[in-house]
Amino acid sequence: DAKTTQPPSMDCAEGRAANLPCNHSTISGNEYVYWYRQIHSQGPQYIIHGLKNNETNEMASLIITEDRKSSTLILPHATLRDTAVYYCIVRVSSGSARQLTFGSGTQLTVLP
Amino acid sequence: EPEVTQTPSHQVTQMGQEVILRCVPISNHLYFYWYRQILGQKVEFLVSFYNNEISEKSEIFDDQFSVERPDGSNFTLKIRSTKLEDSAMYFCASTPREDTGELFFGEGSRLTVL
Repeated sequence: DAKTTQPPSMDCAEGRAANLPCNHSTISGNEYVYWYRQIHSQGPQYIIHGLKNNETNEMASLIITEDRKSSTLILPHATLRDTAVYYCIVRVSSGSARQLTFGSGTQLTVLP
Repeated sequence: EPEVTQTPSHQVTQMGQEVILRCVPISNHLYFYWYRQILGQKVEFLVSFYNNEISEKSEIFDDQFSVERPDGSNFTLKIRSTKLEDSAMYFCASTPREDTGELFFGEGSRLTVL
């Protein structure tokens, strides 16, 4: 029973912003939205997470809609090294690692 | 920047053989995990480990699997009698706290069972 829905693939031109959407319409009030990425069979890499406010760090920005039913991960200036599968995951703040469930994600391809 | 390291990067073994995959978590982390990813499939949780005991495990983690922290730095996953379907990437991860969703993953060990 998937908690998130992501497009299977997206392309983005190098140097442009990559906007990766995620729908989580059944998210609960105590569930955070996490984003990870996996570059070609390497280990997943944590990117960012948020509850309801927009968040920014050195890697990306996370925009969560006011109703929290969807979010967008923004890579402001995509590079070729950002080509990866991006996973959107919802998880309660006190949850265990088992609840960090990786779905199929979005394959982002950054084009030169 | 501290990182989780895993060895070997690739192991090929015969069906029925025992395999030990090794991980060195980040030094001040207390919670350790193994995940696996069969080629072309999703990343799956196997087991979590804290204070020298398993805290949670998935249905995949049956009696053929075991984990151990034999010393202060290593965290191992043992598969007692490998099967063809154990062929996968195995990822170790660690965190300083249980309630964080920010896991630090290693680069993985590719296991090929022939």
